[in-house]
Amino acid sequence: DGGITQSPKYLFRKEGQNVTLSCEQNLNHDAMYWYRQDPGQGLRLIYYSQIVNDFQKGDIAEGYSVSREKKESFPLTVTSAQKNPTAFYLCASRGSVWTDTQYFGPGTRLTVL
Amino acid sequence: GQQVMQIPQYQHVQEGEDFTTYCNSSTTLSNIQWYKQRPGGHPVFLIQLVKSGEVKKQKRLTFQFGEAKKNSSLHITATQTTDVGTYFCAGSSGTYKYIFGTGTRLKVLA
Repeated sequence: DGGITQSPKYLFRKEGQNVTLSCEQNLNHDAMYWYRQDPGQGLRLIYYSQIVNDFQKGDIAEGYSVSREKKESFPLTVTSAQKNPTAFYLCASRGSVWTDTQYFGPGTRLTVL
Repeated sequence: GQQVMQIPQYQHVQEGEDFTTYCNSSTTLSNIQWYKQRPGGHPVFLIQLVKSGEVKKQKRLTFQFGEAKKNSSLHITATQTTDVGTYFCAGSSGTYKYIFGTGTRLKVLA
């Protein structure tokens, strides 16, 4: 929806393994975001990037890392340092600070066994 | 830090009844957005409010932004089964960063 793709939709990993979630957008948007959603909860901001080669920590960045080497791509790595990584991960993008809409991808549901 | 609270957490209504969810921020906001998330889906943008006291309507949905720009509400008139989902507000202090509310889960009984 809105030109943002996330893959895969479901992901299973063993405890202690790093895993990278993909987020790609073809909307030519400057800003991209990663959120985490736990069952029955709101969205919590992990990282965001306003422009290529720049990103800022959100409220729950510990145990996560990101990169923004290309405008279209904003991958998120869930490291073994993340204490409770099982969650629904949502990527979003926004054209500019003057543009209303955040477009969300379909999400990746990560389960760590 | 900035917090955004939403009430109620859950709401069950009979089809045709009205529904309202309220959003309160601990700090003054530059703007507030509202999103709808269907079960199993992802949030979809509904609207953005920017001005103090602003009221916007989308068919049966009415959005308000408080005079102090610290609270907002979403009112649905005559709910339908298609309104089922979780409604989130998201507030910004003027940057790219948005803080999402905890959401109100709406169930509509036919």
